[in-house]
Amino acid sequence: EVQLVESGGGLVQPGRSLKLSCAASGFTFSNYYMAWVRQAPKKGLEWVATISTSGSRTYYPDSVKGRFTISRDNAKSSLYLQMNSLKSEDTATYYCARQDYGGYSGYWGQGVMVTVSS
Amino acid sequence: DIAITQSPSSVAVSVGETVTLSCKSSQSLLYSENNKDYLGWYQQKPGQTPKPLIYWATNRHTGVPDRFTGSGSGTDFTLIISSVQAEDLADYYCEQYFVYPFTFGSGTKLEIK
Repeated sequence: EVQLVESGGGLVQPGRSLKLSCAASGFTFSNYYMAWVRQAPKKGLEWVATISTSGSRTYYPDSVKGRFTISRDNAKSSLYLQMNSLKSEDTATYYCARQDYGGYSGYWGQGVMVTVSS
Repeated sequence: DIAITQSPSSVAVSVGETVTLSCKSSQSLLYSENNKDYLGWYQQKPGQTPKPLIYWATNRHTGVPDRFTGSGSGTDFTLIISSVQAEDLADYYCEQYFVYPFTFGSGTKLEIK
């Protein structure tokens, strides 16, 4: 069974950093592109980042480019999201997702909440 | 960036009825090399994680009931829910994964009368 378990969320002040982790199991992690998707409170879904199987290619929307870094450790079947210079608008639930069929988020974690506030 | 527009923003139907949700893209999502549309649908029930429904515009994800049907190609797509059940109360999102940045529509809220 595919499982994705996020951790590392919490309350952080504006301008500070936070690193999210996602532990994957139930599939060969190194064979799949992985992604982070977020959802601000009472808002819609927003794609945040994608990383290739080897980690050599990463993709971001302009809203987080230069501040967020997605990475992975295939030996540990783990995905990460380093978030720097956090803003109040980064407050959201962050989901880890496995990308299938060329980019479709076919499996999701339960999500982890990040609150950016002073 | 590709803009995704969903309509209606909300809809209320009775149990047993059929409902059609629309998703329009600002540019074609059809990849000519494999003739597939890079458009997906997700269901998010209140307080829950998004659940995959449809990929490549028309393919049901594992375990999705056949009352959920995706159709369309190019820039216009629909999700048809036949014989709506009370458990279908949810927000429905479409997403294009044809080109980065991937973009979601703003969602359609399905309410049960």
